[in-house]
Amino acid sequence: AQKVTQAQTEISVVEKEDVTLDCVYETRDTTYYLFWYKQPPSGELVFLIRRNSFDEQNEISGRYSWNFQKSTSSFNFTITASQVVDSAVYFCALKGSTGGFKTIFGAGTRLFVKA
Amino acid sequence: EAQVTQNPRYLITVTGKKLTVTCSQNMNHEYMSWYRQDPGLGLRQIYYSMNVEVTDKGDVPEGYKVSRKEKRNFPLILESPSPNQTSLYFCASSLSVGANNSPLHFGNGTRLTVT
Repeated sequence: AQKVTQAQTEISVVEKEDVTLDCVYETRDTTYYLFWYKQPPSGELVFLIRRNSFDEQNEISGRYSWNFQKSTSSFNFTITASQVVDSAVYFCALKGSTGGFKTIFGAGTRLFVKA
Repeated sequence: EAQVTQNPRYLITVTGKKLTVTCSQNMNHEYMSWYRQDPGLGLRQIYYSMNVEVTDKGDVPEGYKVSRKEKRNFPLILESPSPNQTSLYFCASSLSVGANNSPLHFGNGTRLTVT
């Protein structure tokens, strides 16, 4: 069975602090895909990044960076110098290569960034 | 503009009164899916469709029906809604079916309240 765990339910930081959102996944598939989505207070779901299981290269996009470690089944997301606009719920998701190729989501981490 | 459109945005109904939430995408995507979002549970898949006339159950299909008569439309039907179906619903689509890293594109959500 596939599973995504986001152990942090809520995180509160002050603007300009760095913050890391944790994501741990379980799958028996040898090929799989990982994603992060953002849900701002307005409610829509926005795709942020994807990573293939065979590509462990970390990625940086502006203030956002992602650390994929296959050895620990983790795909963590770091926001550097957080801003109020980063306040949102962040979902980590896993798509397998078997069983209907469905995407399953973690419970989400709500990030509050205070000015 | 490429988008997934679902309607209505908000719906309040009473137990047992049949309702349909519509979903349409203009990106010629093969794959479409319905999710429900509940606090602490993340997004859970209700049904998905890999192509026209091909649908299958997700993780929480009880009490729901879907159809895929055209590629662009994927309505969600609640034949006899109950209060435990009060939730935030999202329709999503992705470009292709199968083992690939196509992300999900989401509609803006439908907040359903069943009294």
